[in-house]
Amino acid sequence: DVKVTQSSRYLVKRTGEKVFLECVQDMDHENMFWYRQDPGLGLRLIYFSYDVKMKEKGDIPEGYSVSREKKERFSLILESASTNQTSMYLCASSSRDRALYGYTFGSGTRLTVV
Amino acid sequence: SQQGEEDPQALSIQEGENATMNCSYKTSINNLQWYRQNSGRGLVHLILIRSNEREKHSGRLRVTLDTSKKSSSLLITASRAADTASYFCATPSSGSARQLTFGSGTQLTVLP
Repeated sequence: DVKVTQSSRYLVKRTGEKVFLECVQDMDHENMFWYRQDPGLGLRLIYFSYDVKMKEKGDIPEGYSVSREKKERFSLILESASTNQTSMYLCASSSRDRALYGYTFGSGTRLTVV
Repeated sequence: SQQGEEDPQALSIQEGENATMNCSYKTSINNLQWYRQNSGRGLVHLILIRSNEREKHSGRLRVTLDTSKKSSSLLITASRAADTASYFCATPSSGSARQLTFGSGTQLTVLP
C-alpha cells in the first residue's frame, strides 16, 4: 500500500525552538508539498518541490524553510517556532507523469507551539 | 490564493439521505478534484473530473462540472455515518498545473 509518512502525529515545541517536520513517500513521486491547515482558512501551500534539491515558495513561506536531499524525503523546518505557527501540517506527494491522479497525503502533524 | 470555494460550509443529514456539496472556482481549469478528510487526518483523493467531462461516477459518488458557471457539485447518495468528514474541492493553481489550490471545505455530518 503506497503511502506518505509524516514522522509525528502530535508535537509540542517551545517558542524559539528549531522544529523539523519530516515527510517520506514510497511512491517514487517527483512532486512533494507542505501545507498548513487552519480552521476557516483551509489548506495553504507553504513550500513545494518538483525534484531533488529543488524548492519553490508557496503562498505562505515566511518563517519556514525546506530541504529535499533525497527524492523520497521532504523536510519542513521552522527556524524559530512561534505561537502563530501552531497548526496542522500536511505533507503530500504526486507523480509528475500522473499528476491528474491527484495527491497522496500523509496523516498530518498537529504542532503546538507554547 | 483561494481558487475553489465550497458551499455550504456545514451540512447535517440523516443516514440514507443524499448529500450535495458545491464548489465554485475563479479561473479556467483543466480538471477539478474532490478530497475527503476524516477528523484530524490527512486528505484522501476521491475523484477527478476533467474539463471536457460533465459528469463522473464512482460508487456512491457523483460529480458534475459546469465550466460555463465555473462550478462543480459532489453528490453522495445513500449516505452513511462513515461518510461524516470534511470534503474539499481542489483545482490546479493558475501558476502551475502541478500545484493544487484547495477550498475551505464542507463539513458533512451524517446522523445515524
